[in-house]
Amino acid sequence: DAKTTQPNSMESNEEEPVHLPCNHSTISGTDYIHWYRQLPSQGPEYVIHGLTSNVNNRMASLAIAEDRKSSTLILHRATLRDAAVYYCILRRFGNEKLTFGTGTRLTIIP
Amino acid sequence: EPEVTQTPSHQVTQMGQEVILRCVPISNHLYFYWYRQILGQKVEFLVSFYNNEISEKSEIFDDQFSVERPDGSNFTLKIRSTKLEDSAMYFCASSVNGDASDEQYFGPGTRLTVT
Repeated sequence: DAKTTQPNSMESNEEEPVHLPCNHSTISGTDYIHWYRQLPSQGPEYVIHGLTSNVNNRMASLAIAEDRKSSTLILHRATLRDAAVYYCILRRFGNEKLTFGTGTRLTIIP
Repeated sequence: EPEVTQTPSHQVTQMGQEVILRCVPISNHLYFYWYRQILGQKVEFLVSFYNNEISEKSEIFDDQFSVERPDGSNFTLKIRSTKLEDSAMYFCASSVNGDASDEQYFGPGTRLTVT
């Protein structure tokens, strides 16, 4: 699977938007971009995924660069509950498993 | 909202003993997975299971590990002879299908402590 690169940690103030970047310069045309998060002492939780177009759901938005070599997860209004490790994961067609990296640890400042 | 459940939440066992970790996937899901996370480390894939067969497994999933779907609802992970290094959080997950476009839903995990 293609590799992703994320900052180790980020901080954001409560009630402000958060932009979490992910680089995936070796992405292939059939790779989906997935985001999961892991709250403290919990299992991973699906956030959002996309292929080429930007995506929105109730949790977040996913902005995908035109060349698909990077993407940004956007939390529109961070709350304390959004403090977690966020993982950007590429999934290739035919690949069932999720390959987790070290992710970005997001700290929310009250 | 449907969710994946796991039991027990915490299991303590002695080295060399057998343990069975249990999971109830979401009812209309067809693909099932086990992952583990050693304290302070990454979440690692162990095995995927579809149509009563293992469809993919990692190098970690050696002969000491086995999975089973004994009935229509449970999905189990058995470790035959536990080692100290098997101490970890074990997460079960399920998905509707195994597509790259599909999301996986994770349970809360079982903390396994081998002494």
